[in-house]
Amino acid sequence: KNEVEQSPQNLTAQEGEFITINCSYSVGISALHWLQQHPGGGIVSLFMLSSGKKKHGRLIATINIQEKHSSLHITASHPRDSAVYICAVRSNFGNEKLTFGTGTRLTIIP
Amino acid sequence: DGGITQSPKYLFRKEGQNVTLSCEQNLNHDAMYWYRQDPGQGLRLIYYSQIVNDFQKGDIAEGYSVSREKKESFPLTVTSAQKNPTAFYLCASSMGGQGWYNEQFFGPGTRLTVL
Repeated sequence: KNEVEQSPQNLTAQEGEFITINCSYSVGISALHWLQQHPGGGIVSLFMLSSGKKKHGRLIATINIQEKHSSLHITASHPRDSAVYICAVRSNFGNEKLTFGTGTRLTIIP
Repeated sequence: DGGITQSPKYLFRKEGQNVTLSCEQNLNHDAMYWYRQDPGQGLRLIYYSQIVNDFQKGDIAEGYSVSREKKESFPLTVTSAQKNPTAFYLCASSMGGQGWYNEQFFGPGTRLTVL
């Protein structure tokens, strides 16, 4: 079992829909990152969080440390949101490197 | 503009040849990282450096080598010992001595194809 699991693997939605991407992890963590990878391959960091909730524009990230689960929400989705969304966790033991999920490919249809 | 540059965007090499991927940052970050991305897999750490003249192996360092002679540069050499070098390579950097605690900034990546 991978340490970081994302669901769904692929998601297609109509423009304007509310989007939820989920991330579950199996290890104790000190922080969780949400990243966005565009078709060209470049990656942008969206959020880094260790508790509660963060909001930036139409993006909202939440984390439940007890349940080892995080969600990324996109409100009023737009075709430009089409990308791969990657969850990564920083372990709270050992060398504390990041462990990455395999990503969720989101496609927003106009 | 501050950022991370990787060159080239696409790279083709013949099997058995060593190849060096460039990564430069002007963010004044102490820590730099190299990741490899393969289809259907999460990013995997190859090497990282928390400070100039020091670096550590990541999870998949075999067949790779790095140097960190300057703060802004962290080149990765893919040697002929790497059995499956075709992949997308991403460089990242972060500020501070304990880089794992800070947000990582990624470069645009280099897609290496070995023929």
